[in-house]
Amino acid sequence: KNEVEQSPQNLTAQEGEFITINCSYSVGISALHWLQQHPGGGIVSLFMLSSGKKKHGRLIATINIQEKHSSLHITASHPRDSAVYICAVMVEKLTFGTGTRLTIIP
Amino acid sequence: GAGVSQSPRYKVAKRGQDVALRCDPISGHVSLFWYQQALGQGPEFLTYFQNEAQLDKSGLPSDRFFAERPEGSVSTLKIQRTQQEDSAVYLCASSPPARGFYGYTFGSGTRLTVV
Repeated sequence: KNEVEQSPQNLTAQEGEFITINCSYSVGISALHWLQQHPGGGIVSLFMLSSGKKKHGRLIATINIQEKHSSLHITASHPRDSAVYICAVMVEKLTFGTGTRLTIIP
Repeated sequence: GAGVSQSPRYKVAKRGQDVALRCDPISGHVSLFWYQQALGQGPEFLTYFQNEAQLDKSGLPSDRFFAERPEGSVSTLKIQRTQQEDSAVYLCASSPPARGFYGYTFGSGTRLTVV
């Protein structure tokens, strides 16, 4: 079993929809990362969370340490949000989920 | 430079060929990581350097894989006698503090295709 599980694996939505991507992990961590990977392969760090909630523009990330669960939300989604979103946790090394491929249709 | 630079961007190698992948981290970043990302999968840890010291190489899949960072800046990941299962994107990331979780910056990766 992977230490980091993401759902859904693939998500297609219409422009403007509210998007939620989930991440569950099975080990104790000190912090969790949400990353965005574009088709060209480059990875951008979106958030680092250790508790509560963070917001940046249309992106919101929440984490519940007790339940070992985090969510990434995108409000008013746009086609340029189309990418793979990856959850990663720091255990002894950074451990990644398999990613959620998001496609926003105009 | 402003970001982590990896070269080449794409590499096609014949099976059995040796390849060398380069990573130029952000200047001053102490920690450097290599990851392997197979198609449709999340990145998998390969190895970690703190300055020039290779502190963790537990993720290297075989002794055909070798990484070095001799002067604590540029790193090279070498794969000897490449096999088809080595085809993947190889990502490099650097961060300022020693083994910290903060400030990870990823390169764009090198896509290796072994034919």
